[in-house]
Amino acid sequence: DVKVTQSSRYLVKRTGEKVFLECVQDMDHENMFWYRQDPGLGLRLIYFSYDVKMKEKGDIPEGYSVSREKKERFSLILESASTNQTSMYLCASSLYGRLYEQYFGPGTRLTVT
Amino acid sequence: KQEVTQIPAALSVPEGENLVLNCSFTDSAIYNLQWFRQDPGKGLTSLLLIQSSQREQTSGRLNASLDKSSGRSTLYIAASQPGDSATYLCAVSGDGGFKTIFGAGTRLFVKA
Repeated sequence: DVKVTQSSRYLVKRTGEKVFLECVQDMDHENMFWYRQDPGLGLRLIYFSYDVKMKEKGDIPEGYSVSREKKERFSLILESASTNQTSMYLCASSLYGRLYEQYFGPGTRLTVT
Repeated sequence: KQEVTQIPAALSVPEGENLVLNCSFTDSAIYNLQWFRQDPGKGLTSLLLIQSSQREQTSGRLNASLDKSSGRSTLYIAASQPGDSATYLCAVSGDGGFKTIFGAGTRLFVKA
């Protein structure tokens, strides 16, 4: 079974802090994704990575950056957290040839106060 | 710009009922459509994936249909059970791109 794990289930940070959300997958998937999920808005793509050190902006990249130094790990970075970044963050991964067959992690609920 | 809408936003039914969840999308040029299930506080699990050339897919008590020309999909759940209680999300993917566009979901509650 594919397993996608996220470093924290719940996280509380203060405005202005630098925040790191970590995602690890164990199935050698090339593609990894970061989404945020807000009530009434569904999931929105923040960043996509198709290989180590490669990334593409999604629909809402502002205020976020990403890092992929190893194939299995994809990090989402909030350089200076703001209250409007309070949300559920979901990581997903997929094989190179099966872009849309994404496996999701359990999510990190981030609260910025 | 592709938009995906799911109606209703929430649904409560007694156990044993057959039910239909609806999904509509604005751009018919899709590569595939997926239905996902999300349990409270958890990630998404793919239930059914319909390629653009297909009309429907079935898995157990679930049947998903796709009408590209009208921009609609339905998820039919037969003989609902309390364990079916979850949020169901519809998502479409365009041809050649890496983006999947998700609806906001329908929250289903099946009463025992």
